[in-house]
Amino acid sequence: DARVTQTPRHKVTEMGQEVTMRCQPILGHNTVFWYRQTMMQGLELLAYFRNRAPLDDSGMPKDRFSAEMPDATLATLKIQPSEPRDSAVYFCASGLGGRETQYFGPGTRLLVL
Amino acid sequence: SQQGEEDPQALSIQEGENATMNCSYKTSINNLQWYRQNSGRGLVHLILIRSNEREKHSGRLRVTLDTSKKSSSLLITASRAADTASYFCATDRRDTGRRALTFGSGTRLQVQP
Repeated sequence: DARVTQTPRHKVTEMGQEVTMRCQPILGHNTVFWYRQTMMQGLELLAYFRNRAPLDDSGMPKDRFSAEMPDATLATLKIQPSEPRDSAVYFCASGLGGRETQYFGPGTRLLVL
Repeated sequence: SQQGEEDPQALSIQEGENATMNCSYKTSINNLQWYRQNSGRGLVHLILIRSNEREKHSGRLRVTLDTSKKSSSLLITASRAADTASYFCATDRRDTGRRALTFGSGTRLQVQP
């Protein structure tokens, strides 16, 4: 049963600390997405990759967020330094093309104190 | 207003009743998708309908698409308590170079047993 996996599932950290979230897309999927979900803003697209190359990261605060795909089986999202307003659930999703079905991971619930 | 707005924002029905949710969008699309999100979980893809299709069925789900009105509806027949979740529509926009989906703010469905 192919699934997108994300680690950690929960993270509590203090303001100013670095946070790294990891995602393993479904094997064979060539497109990976990072989303952030909050009650106020809903689901926001932060960045997405195709064949490991970043296609769009316009939704991401560039000064503190960075997203990479070191290889086809790992995507990372880093926040440095973290701020309380970054508290949210961060989802990774993968698929076969940006406009096709997306398969979501369980999310990382981040709380920045 | 946003691309892909769901209506109503919240819906409460009794088990066995039908639930209808609507989605309106503003720009031309290639396809429209519906996703479900159970509390605390990632989104799960339900159904994709392409711009040249008018209706699609999957089990107890029926989706319609009216491109002239830029709207879609999701009907869940004979609802069950397990259908309690948030439902999102997602569109791929032709007016931007972005090859990714834009999600609406969702409809929260509560099915009372």
